Amino acid sequence: GAGVSQSPSNKVTEKGKDVELRCDPISGHTALYWYRQSLGQGLEFLIYFQGNSAPDKSGLPSDRFSAERTGGSVSTLTIQRTQQEDSAVYLCASSLGLAFEQFFGPGTRLTVL
Amino acid sequence: AQSVTQLGSHVSVSEGALVLLRCNYSSSVPPYLFWYVQYPNQGLQLLLKYTSAATLVKGINGFEAEFKKSETSFHLTKPSAHMSDAAEYFCAVSPLQGAQKLVFGQGTRLTINP
Repeated sequence: GAGVSQSPSNKVTEKGKDVELRCDPISGHTALYWYRQSLGQGLEFLIYFQGNSAPDKSGLPSDRFSAERTGGSVSTLTIQRTQQEDSAVYLCASSLGLAFEQFFGPGTRLTVL
Repeated sequence: AQSVTQLGSHVSVSEGALVLLRCNYSSSVPPYLFWYVQYPNQGLQLLLKYTSAATLVKGINGFEAEFKKSETSFHLTKPSAHMSDAAEYFCAVSPLQGAQKLVFGQGTRLTINP
């Protein structure tokens, strides 16, 4: 079956622009996670969604970062007024629930010039 | 709070040799522990996980790991390295109860020499 997909695979933007990154989880997975992978910070948790519960935003690095999940499926991570330190690979994962294995997508490589 | 330390950012072994990647964790609650592998330009793939059942966990591709509570360790091993094992390996921890927000180690890049 189809795995987690993310788009775009690569995004180059200019400092100060807004970007949207998309994640399509595996069908039927109720939990969705965003992580960031950067040279300086390694792999960091950003946010997760579980069903209809309020998302856990505790990992978002600043208020320029936000995410939503529509209809319990597709999620969009938005970064406003991008900065060079936002350059990283943004990984999405989904799971059947909070106690189940997380399946990762291939990531979106974001480069802020 | 939870944290993971992977000893050695880069490990190099010969093909056919033992692979040992070290992971130590810190957790104030009973943990789940994971090893993930990342091949170039790909996402993370789960190798194995510890969920408080057997302390010796067998995973895919011949890898296994042993949970040692007294040493707070979860080292990854494979008896005989193959060229296809070259990748980056991440150890991760999450709380046994509640949301499984993974906390990752810094990763270990494994190189296999012919």
